[in-house]
Amino acid sequence: EPEVTQTPSHQVTQMGQEVILRCVPISNHLYFYWYRQILGQKVEFLVSFYNNEISEKSEIFDDQFSVERPDGSNFTLKIRSTKLEDSAMYFCASSLTGTGRYEQYFGPGTRLTVT
Amino acid sequence: AQSVTQPDIHITVSEGASLELRCNYSYGATPYLFWYVQSPGQGLQLLLKYFSGDTLVQGIKGFEAEFKRSQSSFNLRKPSVHWSDAAEYFCAVGARDFGNEKLTFGTGTRLTIIP
Repeated sequence: EPEVTQTPSHQVTQMGQEVILRCVPISNHLYFYWYRQILGQKVEFLVSFYNNEISEKSEIFDDQFSVERPDGSNFTLKIRSTKLEDSAMYFCASSLTGTGRYEQYFGPGTRLTVT
Repeated sequence: AQSVTQPDIHITVSEGASLELRCNYSYGATPYLFWYVQSPGQGLQLLLKYFSGDTLVQGIKGFEAEFKRSQSSFNLRKPSVHWSDAAEYFCAVGARDFGNEKLTFGTGTRLTIIP
């Protein structure tokens, strides 16, 4: 069964450093998403991406964050200057279409630790 | 804007006993509704989903959920739990609008199974 993959599984970085989290969505999916889950809290939406542009973003997704689909398979989340509060599990997801009509498939997550 | 409430933070159930996890949502129309399960250190796995039609939906691992419009609820049930069901369970709501593709998650219910 096709699945969403994410690398790395765990990233440790120092405050102020840039990080790039990588995802390979399911190949025929058109919508891509990033969510995050701070330890012990709920999963929160960050951004959705369709047709090479951001479709929707949350208040969390400020200028420090950016997303990109650099080629036909990868989908990345960049945090320009990490803060301690960026420490969280970051999940990538993809779906066939938007509107919620088709389920979102989640990757296993990247645990980001900012020290 | 949509929202989800899971009133039970933690539930403990004996193995073999029945289970019901509560979920209430807020959305202006009939939403898309999902239950995801997250085992420790793992990603999110879809258990079941409701889009339309029959209000009782069957999912994987013997789970089912019932959509009750009058109560704005989508409770998850299982007639007999197994020790492997111990995990965190998240209810999520998806919108039916283009340009609003995100899933909004509840805070989760942690399920503990005792022998």
